[in-house]
Amino acid sequence: NAGVTQTPKFRVLKTGQSMTLLCAQDMNHEYMYWYRQDPGMGLRLIHYSVGEGTTAKGEVPDGYNVSRLKKQNFLLGLESAAPSQTSVYFCASTGQANTEAFFGQGTRLTVV
Amino acid sequence: GIQVEQSPPDLILQEGANSTLRCNFSDSVNNLQWFHQNPWGQLINLFYIPSGTKQNGRLSATTVATERYSLLYISSSQTTDSGVYFCAVDTNAGGTSYGKLTFGQGTILTVHP
Repeated sequence: NAGVTQTPKFRVLKTGQSMTLLCAQDMNHEYMYWYRQDPGMGLRLIHYSVGEGTTAKGEVPDGYNVSRLKKQNFLLGLESAAPSQTSVYFCASTGQANTEAFFGQGTRLTVV
Repeated sequence: GIQVEQSPPDLILQEGANSTLRCNFSDSVNNLQWFHQNPWGQLINLFYIPSGTKQNGRLSATTVATERYSLLYISSSQTTDSGVYFCAVDTNAGGTSYGKLTFGQGTILTVHP
């Protein structure tokens, strides 16, 4: 049972490059989320989705775009990476709004 | 938005000691989870506990929703308990929240052999 899987696990980008982070869940969850974690801090919500074809902004959405074309996948895109986007990115999913959230293993992104 | 404060920020223990971590939150919650982030960065679910008490081996948690706090107890600590412990909450206080979690800053636990 894979749960929530993130791809890739590590990536180094040059300033201005673009990339897409993939999150896949096999639990048939309706809700999916992208968070970022900066050193010494808790996680902060970037974007989220309440179902296939829907997306919404979280606390820190600037510089990111997302898409949820399939229920099981939630993509996070950086169109023009900046050093301030150096962080660890976590994807999560839940079956319903008030139930336990499950997290992926994280993607460590460095922008130089 | 809801504020989540964890204490203490750092905790150093000898193996075998017990500890209590606290999470205070500023509004009513409909979801509260405790996570352990291990030294490899992985977030491990410990408890889903919006209210009441739960136990899992050496760990237990209590949430008193009416007084807006939760406690995580670790008994007979082991070196593998080291890492960062996060409390995260979801609130409907401002309307439907869609399961969005607000995290505390975490408690860094170091257990020495």
